[in-house]
Amino acid sequence: QQQVKQSPQSLIVQKGGISIINCAYENTAFDYFPWYQQFPGKGPALLIAIRPDVSEKKEGRFTISFNKSAKQFSLHIMDSQPGDSATYFCAATTGNQFYFGTGTSLTVIP
Amino acid sequence: GAGVSQSPSNKVTEKGKDVELRCDPISGHTALYWYRQSLGQGLEFLIYFQGNSAPDKSGLPSDRFSAERTGGSVSTLTIQRTQQEDSAVYLCASSLIRAGNTIYFGEGSWLTVV
Repeated sequence: QQQVKQSPQSLIVQKGGISIINCAYENTAFDYFPWYQQFPGKGPALLIAIRPDVSEKKEGRFTISFNKSAKQFSLHIMDSQPGDSATYFCAATTGNQFYFGTGTSLTVIP
Repeated sequence: GAGVSQSPSNKVTEKGKDVELRCDPISGHTALYWYRQSLGQGLEFLIYFQGNSAPDKSGLPSDRFSAERTGGSVSTLTIQRTQQEDSAVYLCASSLIRAGNTIYFGEGSWLTVV
């Protein structure tokens, strides 16, 4: 059973546009929601993360929106750049348990 | 070291041979994870170690897969009698155990079974 559901599977965005990736979860015990960015041939790297007591967190062009009541969170990439082309994974964690979404392949077209 | 170190970075092996993949976690990280990622796919959990506790082996796909962690630090993932479907990137990650922690991945070991 997939603990974290992620969509879309792939996304193509024009340079300068907004990329939006969505995730949903069921387990209310999750207490931390990180996003990972993975470039081809590399391991996933932490991009940004949020705790459930906050509705939004912004770091540069990357923003996480968190809706606790709906058990959903999303990653927004503003002014998307070709260098943002990568695979993005959302995750939900509690203590030592990490659950990853299935990943979204983002392509930003110049 | 500064990050999670994995070796070898690439391994080509013949079907039926055994392989060992090594992971050296971030110093001080008590938790260590192994994941498998097939080409263009998501992260498949394999096994988890935490301190001296019994490992969580619930993700190992078959009894050909095993892992150990010696001295609470370095871990070795062993795949016996490799099959072509074992071809994938094997990612190791480590973390501290606390609320709001995150895990840090190595670059992975690319395994190709021919």
